[in-house]
Amino acid sequence: EDQVTQSPEALRLQEGESSSLNCSYTVSGLRGLFWYRQDPGKGPEFLFTLYSAGEEKEKERLKATLTKKESFLHITAPKPEDSATYLCAVQASETDNYGQNFVFGPGTRLSVLP
Amino acid sequence: GAVVSQHPSWVICKSGTSVKIECRSLDFQATTMFWYRQFPKQSLMLMATSNEGSKATYEQGVEKDKFLINHASLTLSTLTVTSAHPEDSSFYICSQTQREDTQYFGPGTRLTVL
Repeated sequence: EDQVTQSPEALRLQEGESSSLNCSYTVSGLRGLFWYRQDPGKGPEFLFTLYSAGEEKEKERLKATLTKKESFLHITAPKPEDSATYLCAVQASETDNYGQNFVFGPGTRLSVLP
Repeated sequence: GAVVSQHPSWVICKSGTSVKIECRSLDFQATTMFWYRQFPKQSLMLMATSNEGSKATYEQGVEKDKFLINHASLTLSTLTVTSAHPEDSSFYICSQTQREDTQYFGPGTRLTVL
């Protein structure tokens, strides 16, 4: 069964204190790994798609990396506006059903204190 | 500006009634849209893929007769929760994909079934 876990469940950082969020997955063939941020009561905001081990993508203070078993979202010098829940999801490429085979992780709640 | 809109943003209904949620693509003709559900303090779950001009594709465990999806045009997909019950109370979100897998999410619709 395809599974996605995220750690830590919650993280509090001081403004400027860099850190990393982890997304570990087990999937029967990876089509893609996705990162999103979500503010309370709102729809998610897409951040990155990673397709193969070794791939990296950056956007402002965020950098996502991918290995065969996990992905990291590195946050460099975070600001209070980076506070949100960060979700990752994987899409499996091998399946015996007709759906998209998208599995979301439980998320990491990030709080950045001024 | 917003790329995807949803209407209504929230709805309260009595048990046994049906509720229709609209998802509109504002600046892009989307042949495919996606519907998700998110229970309080939980992660997202992909429910189905809405295909313009053809039947929706449902993920495993999602009742197609319960959650009716219609993609009548390239800019509008609707999700109807039929005979809603309290356990259907949730945050329903749609999304579309543009340009190299960039996903745009709607703001979400909060459904409360009494």
